[in-house]
Amino acid sequence: QKEVEQNSGPLSVPEGAIASLNCTYSDRVSQSFFWYRQYSGKSPELIMSIYSNGDKEDGRFTAQLNKASQYVSLLIRDSQPSDSATYLCASSGGYNKLIFGAGTRLAVHP
Amino acid sequence: DGGITQSPKYLFRKEGQNVTLSCEQNLNHDAMYWYRQDPGQGLRLIYYSQIVNDFQKGDIAEGYSVSREKKESFPLTVTSAQKNPTAFYLCASSRDREVGELFFGEGSRLTVL
Repeated sequence: QKEVEQNSGPLSVPEGAIASLNCTYSDRVSQSFFWYRQYSGKSPELIMSIYSNGDKEDGRFTAQLNKASQYVSLLIRDSQPSDSATYLCASSGGYNKLIFGAGTRLAVHP
Repeated sequence: DGGITQSPKYLFRKEGQNVTLSCEQNLNHDAMYWYRQDPGQGLRLIYYSQIVNDFQKGDIAEGYSVSREKKESFPLTVTSAQKNPTAFYLCASSRDREVGELFFGEGSRLTVL
């Protein structure tokens, strides 16, 4: 069973701090990885994609991929209350399917 | 504005009834998907379609049916055979036939009374 594992949280960080969200995956053939943000009662929105080992930065977001350790992370710098949401990690496990983790709930408090 | 439109947003169904959820996209995307989300769980794939008149079962297709007669439309029918249909249903599309970045509709929340 191919899986994507995330800590459900909540991860609570103060405003202005760095939030670190982590994800591990079981399928070694996975090549593409995605982070989606989902506000309560809303649909997911893609915020980052990463395809190769290392870091990828986009504004306040940095995605990190380590294929040897089967580990993906998302860092959010200068966290804002508006970042409070559930963050879903997903891997492309082949066969044209994304495998989603259950998500980590992030709470940024003023 | 380009996007994905799902309707209805909220739907109540009596046990034993079939219901159809609508999904329309004007993004000119080839691939479309239906996911189900339950509280505390990740998204689970019900059906997907990479091209008109073709679709494939996902991980939890039992009790569901779909059609893809037009590129823009991918309706999902929740049949009475689905034993636990209460959930949040999400339609998505992607530009490429291979799984990539998904664009989601606003979702349809189905409650069985």
